[in-house]
Amino acid sequence: AQTVTQSQPEMSVQEAETVTLSCTYDTSESNYYLFWYKQPPSRQMILVIRQEAYKQQNATENRFSVNFQKAAKSFSLKISDSQLGDTAMYFCAFMTLPQGGSEKLVFGKGTKLTVNP
Amino acid sequence: NAGVTQTPKFRILKIGQSMTLQCTQDMNHNYMYWYRQDPGMGLKLIYYSVGAGITDKGEVPNGYNVSRSTTEDFPLRLELAAPSQTSVYFCASSYSATANYGYTFGSGTRLTVV
Repeated sequence: AQTVTQSQPEMSVQEAETVTLSCTYDTSESNYYLFWYKQPPSRQMILVIRQEAYKQQNATENRFSVNFQKAAKSFSLKISDSQLGDTAMYFCAFMTLPQGGSEKLVFGKGTKLTVNP
Repeated sequence: NAGVTQTPKFRILKIGQSMTLQCTQDMNHNYMYWYRQDPGMGLKLIYYSVGAGITDKGEVPNGYNVSRSTTEDFPLRLELAAPSQTSVYFCASSYSATANYGYTFGSGTRLTVV
């Protein structure tokens, strides 16, 4: 079974500083995708960043970047210049594309991030 | 640009009652999903559909039913509500050929069973 583990239930950071959220996953597949979703208090699930496993280059989206270590099955999210609006739950998610099957996202339990002024 | 629309946003049910959570998407996505999110937990897949007329069970399907008569709609039915079904329910959709873009989620339905 594929699993996603987020070992940090809660984290906090000062505004303008940098924070890294951890995520590890377990799979025997070689072709897969990894995602970070943000869930603010509004409950809306917002895609922050994605990474294709076959790409060695780490994905970046403005202040958000990932450190993808395929051999270690690690996919951490770095938020630079943290803003108050970054306060949210962050979910790491994993998706494979099985032969003849449907793609399905598997989620970690989430990390609650608080950005303090 | 409605995306994925879920109704209702909130609902309180009594034990044994039934209800249907509605989900509609206007992006012509083939794949649709229902997840539930319990407090302090990630999202768990209830049911999914790869196209009109095709549905399949996810990780936690017991107590739920779905149908997919059109590409746009994917309702989730609770037949005999139980307190264990108190949760936040999310509908999502994706275009399978470009799965690497992830899912588009609705804003969720908070359901309380008392």
